[in-house]
Amino acid sequence: GQSLEQPSEVTAVEGAIVQINCTYQTSGFYGLSWYQQHDGGAPTFLSYNALDGLEETGRFSSFLSRSDSYGYLLLQELQMKDSASYFCAVREGNQGGKLIFGQGTELSVKP
Amino acid sequence: DTAVSQTPKYLVTQMGNDKSIKCEQNLGHDTMYWYKQDSKKFLKIMFSYNNKELIINETVPNRFSPKSPDKAHLNLHINSLELGDSAVYFCASSQALIRTQYFGPGTRLTVL
Repeated sequence: GQSLEQPSEVTAVEGAIVQINCTYQTSGFYGLSWYQQHDGGAPTFLSYNALDGLEETGRFSSFLSRSDSYGYLLLQELQMKDSASYFCAVREGNQGGKLIFGQGTELSVKP
Repeated sequence: DTAVSQTPKYLVTQMGNDKSIKCEQNLGHDTMYWYKQDSKKFLKIMFSYNNKELIINETVPNRFSPKSPDKAHLNLHINSLELGDSAVYFCASSQALIRTQYFGPGTRLTVL
């Protein structure tokens, strides 16, 4: 079957670093994406890893290990506005762009 | 300028009714999608169109019928609405060789 596992909730304080893990089991794999969704808003793209290693975009970094079927999103210098749900998503096919989403991790950033 | 737009934003209707949601993208993308997000925030793909051709059709009841009049538009028509159809429906678009999907603001459908 297809499944992506990520923690349901994470709490951290402003200025801290938080890591959201994602393990996946899918029939195909062409890359791991991360999306952010604020309450009442639309998912917005954060990062994408097709190959093993670390991708850095400002305060956010994403890591992938294909041999371990594992990735994580690292958020540094947390700000209150980072409170949102974070979804990992596996691109299952090279054509059509089918994304399989995890259940999402709700991040709460406290002062 | 709105990249991916959907109408309506909210839709409240009775069981058994038929309703449509419209989606338009001005990004010049060739692929568009419909996703359903349930009350637990689980986001699941329903359909995908590439250049007006249906390329992904997940296990979705026949009551749901997507239509793409051109590659900038993807509409979703739902017949005989049921309580379980209540959810937020997101339209998204992407360019085939680029991995990022851009989501519309969502349509919150409530079936009474």
